[in-house]
Amino acid sequence: LAKTTQPISMDSYEGQEVNITCSHNNIATNDYITWYQQFPSQGPRFIIQGYKTKVTNEVASLFIPADRKSSTLSLPRVSLSDTAVYYCLVKGSYIPTFGRGTSLIVHP
Amino acid sequence: DAGVTQSPTHLIKTRGQHVTLRCSPISGHKSVSWYQQVLGQGPQFIFQYYEKEERGRGNFPDRFSARQFPNYSSELNVNALLLGDSALYLCASNTGYDTDTQYFGPGTRLTVL
Repeated sequence: LAKTTQPISMDSYEGQEVNITCSHNNIATNDYITWYQQFPSQGPRFIIQGYKTKVTNEVASLFIPADRKSSTLSLPRVSLSDTAVYYCLVKGSYIPTFGRGTSLIVHP
Repeated sequence: DAGVTQSPTHLIKTRGQHVTLRCSPISGHKSVSWYQQVLGQGPQFIFQYYEKEERGRGNFPDRFSARQFPNYSSELNVNALLLGDSALYLCASNTGYDTDTQYFGPGTRLTVL
């Protein structure tokens, strides 16, 4: 199984850029990297997905180095509403494995 | 368009009882996956169904079973409930067999007393 490792928690302030890194040393050749956001008592919400290099959408950017053993989710100019748990997911042998996620707290 | 729906929202059962949770995927999605999320942990994969067939199974005991219906909705059944089964049960759907991009429902909060 592809295992992911993320920091347990991070703190930031409104307006700052936040970068959350996930390591996935055993990623398979055909695996994509997907990031989700989860608020308490809700289901995870898809943020962004990538395979290599850089992907950007209206809410985030995803940076993936050439060896694909890690990825970095970048949230520009966070607000209080970005306080949530963020998960990176690598599918791995058709068994999607979520780690414990990164609890991001954004302070005023 | 409606997202993934799950019922019931909350459920309280006692040890040894049986429970059935229901999920309706996004219209057009043929794959449904079930996850268990214990407080403070990430979602743990239980099952994936695609075109009414089981396509993946996580490390859960046989007390857990599921099925998918011709309209692609799904049920998760848990028998002989244990206290440790208390969790948020999440259903996710996606268009095909590939589970890379999943759309999650709000979950069913199961409490076992």
